[in-house]
Amino acid sequence: DGGITQSPKYLFRKEGQNVTLSCEQNLNHDAMYWYRQDPGQGLRLIYYSQIVNDFQKGDIAEGYSVSREKKESFPLTVTSAQKNPTAFYLCASSILQGYNEQFFGPGTRLTVL
Amino acid sequence: AQKVTQAQTEISVVEKEDVTLDCVYETRDTTYYLFWYKQPPSGELVFLIRRNSFDEQNEISGRYSWNFQKSTSSFNFTITASQVVDSAVYFCALSGTIQGAQKLVFGQGTRLTINP
Repeated sequence: DGGITQSPKYLFRKEGQNVTLSCEQNLNHDAMYWYRQDPGQGLRLIYYSQIVNDFQKGDIAEGYSVSREKKESFPLTVTSAQKNPTAFYLCASSILQGYNEQFFGPGTRLTVL
Repeated sequence: AQKVTQAQTEISVVEKEDVTLDCVYETRDTTYYLFWYKQPPSGELVFLIRRNSFDEQNEISGRYSWNFQKSTSSFNFTITASQVVDSAVYFCALSGTIQGAQKLVFGQGTRLTINP
């Protein structure tokens, strides 16, 4: 089955710790994205990548870092510098050319204790 | 700047009623796409439709229909004969090229509750 997987589904972290969220896709998509969703709000773009070994900051990149060493994988690290990390994180991917729809993973709910 | 506004934060209707979700957008691009996504309680966003800025034909897919009006910058979504399974948060999104990259700008979402 083609799709996007995110793990873990739920994640708890102590304040001051870094944590890495996994995102893998087998759709052969070039572009991958990370979004943050807070209760009652829309999605905000954290980082995106159009090609391996390259990525760009989105609207709310502060306190986050990413890597894109493989086409299939785009992990997101939430660092201790992120002041309010408790949120729902969604990963997406799309074909690069044109204005194509993005396909989303099931999300990871991060709670900082 | 690009912006999507979904003024209806929450809508609650009784099953079998028709319901329309509003979406108004702002963009200076002449070429752009509009999308609707559904987010059920499980959390994953499900793609529903993509519409380009040059195609103002209404679209119908089963009980779902979309009305795109460029003159009013609106892309409204109607569910006919609603069902409990339609309960979800619905997002309207606008795609354009920002700094050379294709990006989606999302509205705040409308939480739709269909009561039996």
